[in-house]
Amino acid sequence: DAKTTQPPSMDCAEGRAANLPCNHSTISGNEYVYWYRQIHSQGPQYIIHGLKNNETNEMASLIITEDRKSSTLILPHATLRDTAVYYCIATIRAGSYQLTFGKGTKLSVIP
Amino acid sequence: DAGITQSPRHKVTETGTPVTLRCHQTENHRYMYWYRQDPGHGLRLIHYSYGVKDTDKGEVSDGYSVSRSKTEDFLLTLESATSSQTSVYFCAISDPTAETYEQYFGPGTRLTVT
Repeated sequence: DAKTTQPPSMDCAEGRAANLPCNHSTISGNEYVYWYRQIHSQGPQYIIHGLKNNETNEMASLIITEDRKSSTLILPHATLRDTAVYYCIATIRAGSYQLTFGKGTKLSVIP
Repeated sequence: DAGITQSPRHKVTETGTPVTLRCHQTENHRYMYWYRQDPGHGLRLIHYSYGVKDTDKGEVSDGYSVSRSKTEDFLLTLESATSSQTSVYFCAISDPTAETYEQYFGPGTRLTVT
């Protein structure tokens, strides 16, 4: 899996958009970008994934640069319940793939 | 939420004692995983299973063994627990045919080795 780099922490005001960056400059052509989050001490939860195109679902949007070397996860209207550690992971989609979790970004949503 | 349970949820044991953690799923997913999470670290893969009786090692497998005799159960055994194995253990499952190809995680087991 390609190495990913994320800022250790970020703050966001409640109701505003949270933009979480991720650098994956060594990503290979068959690796997808996945985002998970971990709220407090719960198990990680899948948010969204993408290969080349921007993606949107009910939780978030994922913007991937054209050269695929970086991406941004966008939570359009952050709430207090979005306070969590967010992990950006580059991985292939094949078989019993392994997720390599870094330290992620601790997002704190401020009232 | 995916049907994944872990037992026990909390356990305190003494050094040198054998310990078995259980992961049970009701989703009939083929792949199952055990991760550990320590302060200052992300999750690290211990072992995984790609089918009944088919298992392989992950990044931090030393001191751990696993077994999978049924699709729904994946057991993690610490043959002789050590203090360095104090951690939170997460089980995960995945379905290779699913569109999102995501891993679903259980609630975790907090293990303390004294």
